[in-house]
Amino acid sequence: QKEVEQDPGPLSVPEGAIVSLNCTYSNSAFQYFMWYRQYSRKGPELLMYTYSSGNKEDGRFTAQVDKSSKYISLFIRDSQPSDSATYLCAMSRYNAGNMLTFGGGTRLMVKP
Amino acid sequence: DTEVTQTPKHLVMGMTNKKSLKCEQHMGHRAMYWYKQKAKKPPELMFVYSYEKLSINESVPSRFSPECPNSSLLNLHLHALQPEDSALYLCASSQERGGPVGRELFFGEGSRLTVL
Repeated sequence: QKEVEQDPGPLSVPEGAIVSLNCTYSNSAFQYFMWYRQYSRKGPELLMYTYSSGNKEDGRFTAQVDKSSKYISLFIRDSQPSDSATYLCAMSRYNAGNMLTFGGGTRLMVKP
Repeated sequence: DTEVTQTPKHLVMGMTNKKSLKCEQHMGHRAMYWYKQKAKKPPELMFVYSYEKLSINESVPSRFSPECPNSSLLNLHLHALQPEDSALYLCASSQERGGPVGRELFFGEGSRLTVL
């Protein structure tokens, strides 16, 4: 079993839809949770960063962490075609420096 | 624009060639990383340099040789590669501090390597 599971998609939605992307994990030691966006043939870019449980909002993006369920989510409101990309969740333990464990990525397609 | 710069963007090499990938950052970060990413897969960690010293080598074959000449530069020397080594090679950097801020990795756009 992988430490971090993420549905590979592809997830196809119409423009303006609310998108929900999710990851589950098995290691309860994970404390830091990140979402990266990766456009085709580009490097990942950090979208959202959260520490432990709770919600964090940044513009159209909301990251949610539920440590009791070992479940994290990224919500995208009013999705745009420019949001079409692969979204990678990543997480790390408190004492693991910057060693990230990535999910497999979900490919999102937002259609005009 | 990313603040981690990688060159070249594309590289095609034969199995007997020797080539190098280069990475540069000017954010004052003290940790730098090499990742390998195959198509439709997440990045896989290869090496970590912390304060210019190799701190992690994820059992990478010796045909990949990293080098950190100074805190801003990171190289990956390639020799006698195999076709299965074809991938996107990503460089990243971070502040290498405890706490949330130090956990953020900044990635370059990658060097796409094709081994013939």
